[in-house]
Amino acid sequence: AQTVTQSQPEMSVQEAETVTLSCTYDTSENNYYLFWYKQPPSRQMILVIRQEAYKQQNATENRFSVNFQKAAKSFSLKISDSQLGDTAMYFCAFMKGSSGGGADGLTFGKGTHLIIQP
Amino acid sequence: NAGVMQNPRHLVRRRGQEARLRCSPMKGHSHVYWYRQLPEEGLKFMVYLQKENIIDESGMPKERFSAEFPKEGPSILRIQQVVRGDSAAYFCASSPFDRDLFYEQYFGPGTRLTVT
Repeated sequence: AQTVTQSQPEMSVQEAETVTLSCTYDTSENNYYLFWYKQPPSRQMILVIRQEAYKQQNATENRFSVNFQKAAKSFSLKISDSQLGDTAMYFCAFMKGSSGGGADGLTFGKGTHLIIQP
Repeated sequence: NAGVMQNPRHLVRRRGQEARLRCSPMKGHSHVYWYRQLPEEGLKFMVYLQKENIIDESGMPKERFSAEFPKEGPSILRIQQVVRGDSAAYFCASSPFDRDLFYEQYFGPGTRLTVT
């Protein structure tokens, strides 16, 4: 079974600063995917960024980037130029690869509550 | 293209009643997943279905919970004889059946179940 650990229950930074959220995971799988989801007060789950384990290059989506260290089983999220709208719960998630099409269930961490201060 | 739809958004049930949560996947998606989020927790996987077939129900409680995804109509998560511990937000997600996109899951807005 897979586990995902987010060791920072809450973080607070000033607007425009850069913040890094940490995530570690444990698995014996070699083929898997990692995700960061954002859950604002509306509770809608929004996919922020994804990383395929077989790719060495770190994923980037505008102000969001990841530092994927496969050997260390670490997957941190960096948010640059943080904005007030980034205030939300952030969940790291793991999914093992599936060979049959479709997808597998996601395993989530407990989340980090990120607060961006004006 | 409408997103994943869930209804009702809020559901209040008294202990011992039945709760039925509905999920309509995105158009063209044939796979549905149900997750439960307890207060102050992350989402926990419950069950994974495709049309008329349960693929993985390893996260479903053994009793009182069932799920279906019929050939026509939405997916249903059914909780019989609800107890206070069932109070949570229940999220549905869907994904396409496509080898290039199979890892993408799109979430609905969730149903908040309150058991009184």
